[in-house]
Amino acid sequence: DQQVKQNSPSLSVQEGRISILNCDYTNSMFDYFLWYKKYPAEGPTFLISISSIKDKNEDGRFTVFLNKSAKHLSLHIVPSQPGDSAVYFCAARSNQGGKLIFGQGTELSVKP
Amino acid sequence: DSGVTQTPKHLITATGQRVTLRCSPRSGDLSVYWYQQSLDQGLQFLIQYYNGEERAKGNILERFSAQQFPDLHSELNLSSLELGDSALYFCASSVEPGQGTYGYTFGSGTRLTVV
Repeated sequence: DQQVKQNSPSLSVQEGRISILNCDYTNSMFDYFLWYKKYPAEGPTFLISISSIKDKNEDGRFTVFLNKSAKHLSLHIVPSQPGDSAVYFCAARSNQGGKLIFGQGTELSVKP
Repeated sequence: DSGVTQTPKHLITATGQRVTLRCSPRSGDLSVYWYQQSLDQGLQFLIQYYNGEERAKGNILERFSAQQFPDLHSELNLSSLELGDSALYFCASSVEPGQGTYGYTFGSGTRLTVV
């Protein structure tokens, strides 16, 4: 069973516009949610996280929103830049043991 | 350089064979995690070690095994390989299980191709 889902395999956005990446989860036993960014031939790198007790966390151009009632989180990138083109993974951290459960990833393409 | 070292970067082997993937965690990290990324799949959690002991298991096949050594490096052993085992295998590390809010630090992965 897929506990963390990213239903959009790809997203294309114009440079300067907003990118919104979405993620849904089914398990309530998560205490943190994280976004990772992955370039080809590299491992995922941490981008931003949010505690399950918060509903928003902002870091520069990146903002993550958490809607616990809907079991949904989203990553907003404003303004989008061509260098943001990568695969973005949503992850949820289990509050039992700390393992991360990842979604399938969304490939973001930001066009100049 | 993330500080997590995985070797080899690429591996091509035949079906039925056995391979060993190696991971050196970031300095000071005690916990090691292994993930598999197949085509069009997310990162599937395989197994977690903390300071030499198995801490959690995910969807790891019985043909696969892992261990963490006293110097904290870890090895993932894949045996009786099948075509479907072709994937990217990532190792990640953290100071402790679930340490902080930053998740794990990942290596750049080993691309395994089974022919």
